[in-house]
Amino acid sequence: ETVLTQSPATLAASPGGSVTLSCRAGQSVSTHLAWYHQKPGQAPRLLVYGASTRATGIPDRFSGSGSGTEFTLTISSLQSEDFGVYLCQQYFDWYSFGQGTKLEIK
Amino acid sequence: QVQLLQSGAEVKKPGSSVKVSCKASEGTLSTFGLSWVRQSPGQGPEWVGAIIPVLGTKDYAQKFQDRVTFTADESMTTIFLEMKGLTHDDTATYYCARGRPQGGFDPWGQGTLVTVSS
Repeated sequence: ETVLTQSPATLAASPGGSVTLSCRAGQSVSTHLAWYHQKPGQAPRLLVYGASTRATGIPDRFSGSGSGTEFTLTISSLQSEDFGVYLCQQYFDWYSFGQGTKLEIK
Repeated sequence: QVQLLQSGAEVKKPGSSVKVSCKASEGTLSTFGLSWVRQSPGQGPEWVGAIIPVLGTKDYAQKFQDRVTFTADESMTTIFLEMKGLTHDDTATYYCARGRPQGGFDPWGQGTLVTVSS
């Protein structure tokens, strides 16, 4: 199983600011990586797939990059609805998820 | 687009079994590759396995292959996850989700909370 490690575990930021989240894979997953946003009591929502392609309806404030084992998700112009947990998922070697980064309001 | 609608919350005793359903809001699920994912409180999601109803193919994560069975109804509008030998560690929200050919899971069902309690 390919282990995904996300950092930081928790991050505080202010509305209007920007943040960069990290996801590291235990072995190369090429660009077979997706990012999700999850709010309490809800299912994850797909943001990015193929490491850098935004899903339908996702604003360009969300930007994914990386390949191999190192990936980042940058969110700019933070809005109130952006707070919650961000998850990465690899689909190169079956499927696995990271433990998440919780983005909180500062 | 199609939505995935799951059955309601369940409370089960240790050692018992649970069966969770996932139904398409319109049409069938026959050509979809559908995964089951579970998420324990405060934890990251965990892939349980996947089914492609029209092909009859089923793949189980090694951790679950002895305790989980995926099925689909004849109309291929609903899929099911059955898990036996429940323990307290199986307490989680169970989701169905469509695997997209381009990558990623979308849409997801709303989730089914399974609580295992004595």
